[in-house]
Amino acid sequence: GDSVTQMEGPVTLSEEAFLTINCTYTATGYPSLFWYVQYPGEGLQLLLKATKADDKGSNKGFEATYRKETTSFHLEKGSVQVSDSAVYFCALRDPPSDAGGTSYGKLTFGQGTILTVHP
Amino acid sequence: NAGVTQTPKFRILKIGQSMTLQCTQDMNHNYMYWYRQDPGMGLKLIYYSVGAGITDKGEVPNGYNVSRSTTEDFPLRLELAAPSQTSVYFCASSYGNTQYFGPGTRLTVL
Repeated sequence: GDSVTQMEGPVTLSEEAFLTINCTYTATGYPSLFWYVQYPGEGLQLLLKATKADDKGSNKGFEATYRKETTSFHLEKGSVQVSDSAVYFCALRDPPSDAGGTSYGKLTFGQGTILTVHP
Repeated sequence: NAGVTQTPKFRILKIGQSMTLQCTQDMNHNYMYWYRQDPGMGLKLIYYSVGAGITDKGEVPNGYNVSRSTTEDFPLRLELAAPSQTSVYFCASSYGNTQYFGPGTRLTVL
């Protein structure tokens, strides 16, 4: 079945440091890939996404490139801020199919990576 | 648009009690989902629905039930609460490739 593996956390950085959070996946077919962010006490918010190989998703200074050859979707940011402190989840989504199929567009999540940024 | 709303935000149950977690979305999405999030873990799918009147089990459905009588509402029912159901529960709806999450319900079973 599908699976997502994220780098172990927690990650602690100083403000303005470079961030990389690794994410690799196993899936059949051609999934869409996502990064979600969860701020303390809140639900998950979509940070960025990519739907096909070599697509780059970007938002709020974060970027990730869909690499089919390495089955990876690593999250990067050039200069983190204290406000980026949160839990980051990598996820994949099989495309929805008709009723009776095995795919229903569900998300498969990695275990999450806690990021703490100090001033 | 309020998006996806969940009630209550917090709840403490005793073992064996029952409760319903409410979820409502105002985006007219057909797909809706219930997830649970345990500490240090990613989210696990409990149940999902592809439209009113249609529901099916996800990865961890035992101990839960759902119904979907309208497009907007997707309540999750716990019939006999157990300590293993202590978790944070998230409802989500989706359109296309994007899922939209509610703020979550933190449930403790003692």
